Amino acid sequence: GNSVTQMEGPVTLSEEAFLTINCTYTATGYPSLFWYVQYPGEGLQLLLKATKADDKGSNKGFEATYRKETTSFHLEKGSVQVSDSAVYFCALSSGATNKLIFGTGTLLAVQP
Amino acid sequence: GAVVSQHPSRVICKSGTSVKIECRSLDFQATTMFWYRQFPKKSLMLMATSNEGSKATYEQGVEKDKFLINHASLTLSTLTVTSAHPEDSSFYICSARPSGGTETQYFGPGTRLLVL
Repeated sequence: GNSVTQMEGPVTLSEEAFLTINCTYTATGYPSLFWYVQYPGEGLQLLLKATKADDKGSNKGFEATYRKETTSFHLEKGSVQVSDSAVYFCALSSGATNKLIFGTGTLLAVQP
Repeated sequence: GAVVSQHPSRVICKSGTSVKIECRSLDFQATTMFWYRQFPKKSLMLMATSNEGSKATYEQGVEKDKFLINHASLTLSTLTVTSAHPEDSSFYICSARPSGGTETQYFGPGTRLLVL
């Protein structure tokens, strides 16, 4: 069945460091891929998405490229800020129902 | 735009009682809403898909009679945990998908349930 695997955290970085959070997926067909972010005390928010191979999703300085050949959708940001501290979830949706399947989430802590 | 609220945000109840959690889309209509359960340090697990005006579709392993879902309007879905037990303690999150074909889901802030 469909599944999402993302790197375990926590990931601790200093401000202005480069961020990569790995995400790989297993799916039949052609899923859409998402990154959601959950800030402390808040609900999940869609950060970015890509709906087909080689698409690049980007938002707030974050970006991820849909790589079908490696079944990956790694999240990157060139220079993180303290305000980026949150839990990041990789997810996919596939099929007629568009149900979301989530990875386990990666906690990012950015220190000043 | 695209705000989803949940009520209550936190609830503590005694074992054997029932608890109702509301999920509302505040500024859009949602034909479909979803209910998730999140365990500590675990991913969100889809429990059921709630469709306005029809019965919910439950995921494998989720007890229909224990987790009652009602989606009576295009802006409200409710999840009732019946005869709650300590193992039902968890973080319950809903999401809503705007009517009109988009696949994007908008999430509520979650409800923390503690069953004593």
